[in-house]
Parts: sequence; structure tokens; C-alpha cells
Amino acid sequence: QVQLEQSGAEVKRPGASLKVSCEASGYTFSDFYIHWVRQAPGQGLEWMGWINPKSGGTNYGQKFQGWVTMTRDTSINTVFLELSRLTSDATGVYYCVRESKAVAGLDYWGQGTLVTVSS
Amino acid sequence: QSELTQPPSASGTPGQRVTISCSGSTSNVGGNTVNWYQHLPGTAPKALIWSTHRRPSGVPDRFSGSKSGTSASLTISGLQSEDEADYYCATWDDSLNGFVFGTGTRVTVL
Repeated sequence: QVQLEQSGAEVKRPGASLKVSCEASGYTFSDFYIHWVRQAPGQGLEWMGWINPKSGGTNYGQKFQGWVTMTRDTSINTVFLELSRLTSDATGVYYCVRESKAVAGLDYWGQGTLVTVSS
Repeated sequence: QSELTQPPSASGTPGQRVTISCSGSTSNVGGNTVNWYQHLPGTAPKALIWSTHRRPSGVPDRFSGSKSGTSASLTISGLQSEDEADYYCATWDDSLNGFVFGTGTRVTVL
């Protein structure tokens, strides 16, 4: 069965960087784009961007350009979300999500990774 | 970054019908299919509707979706206590070259 397993919760100081991982299993990794979605405390779901696991190509939402980087390692079927120059505004739960062309939407979600930025 | 507009809240008694609207533009809702997600605290969002009308396997048939022009709707027919959750619409945005989510609607079962 399709699974997206994310790394555990993180607590970081302002100005630091961190990398969240998302390991895919149960399907051909390179065949499906992975998106990242954030939920800040008390806020709704927010699309951050996508990565094409086959080519490594990416596209980021305007709000996330300059401090978010998405990469992948095809040898371990894993995509990474790197957040840099963290501020308290980066606090939230981050989800990796698979996109399926068959359903024209986001079908399988990771369990979420809580990121807390605090001094 | 654009968002789709949803009412912040909706409510009903058990058995009632509740409809949630999702308003967008020609670059998103108007030109693409719409998905709906149910989000319970502490869990990952769950897909309720794909491609505007389709229910994933296991989703009860009391959930249905529709679209007209640049607006879409999710209807819960026969509201149940376990339907109390946050609901989000989402669709592809051609201008963004990515997905856009609705602002979210909290459904309360009275």
C-alpha cells in the first residue's frame, strides 16, 4: 500500500535551518509528483510547492520562494523539504502529499511533521 | 498567492443537509476539477471528493460534490456526529502552476 513516512517533530531557534524528510513506499517513486502543504497554528492548509522526483524539477509558491528548497534522493525514495533562515512564522505542521493525475488531485498524505521555531 | 473562498463555519443537526461553497476564478475552479478534504485535529487530511464528483473508496455516499462556473460545493446529506471537522476545497491553479486551497470551513454538529 502507498505510504509516505515523514521525519519527526523539530524545535529550532530563529535563524536556523532544518530538513524534513518524506520516504515513499508502495508505488513507483519517480511516477508521481510530491507536494508540500503547511498548516500554521490556527490557520488553514497552504500549498507550498512541488517536486518532480524523476527530474528534480521544482516549483514554489511565491510566499515560500527564497527560504524553501525541495530535493529528492531517488536511491532511497525520499524527498526533502529544507527550510532556511527560520522565523516564528515558519511554525506549523508540514505535510508531504502525492499528486495523482488519475484523480486530478492530492491522494496520499504523510502523517505531518510539527516544526516549532522559538527562541 | 491566491486562495479559494469558503464560509468559515457551517452547522446542522444530525440528519440535516449541509452545503459548503468554494469560490475561485477562471484560472482555478473555473478551469479545473475540484477536490475536497476532511481534516480532523492531529491527523492528516482525508480525501472526500476527487475530480469534482468522484468519491474515493470507503467514503460514504452522503458526501457529494458539484461545480458551476467558478464555484464548487460539497454537500453532506444526512449529517452525522462524526462529520464534525474542518473541510477544505482544493484545485489546480493554472497561473500558479500548483494547487490552491480553500480558506476552510468548520462544520459543527449541533
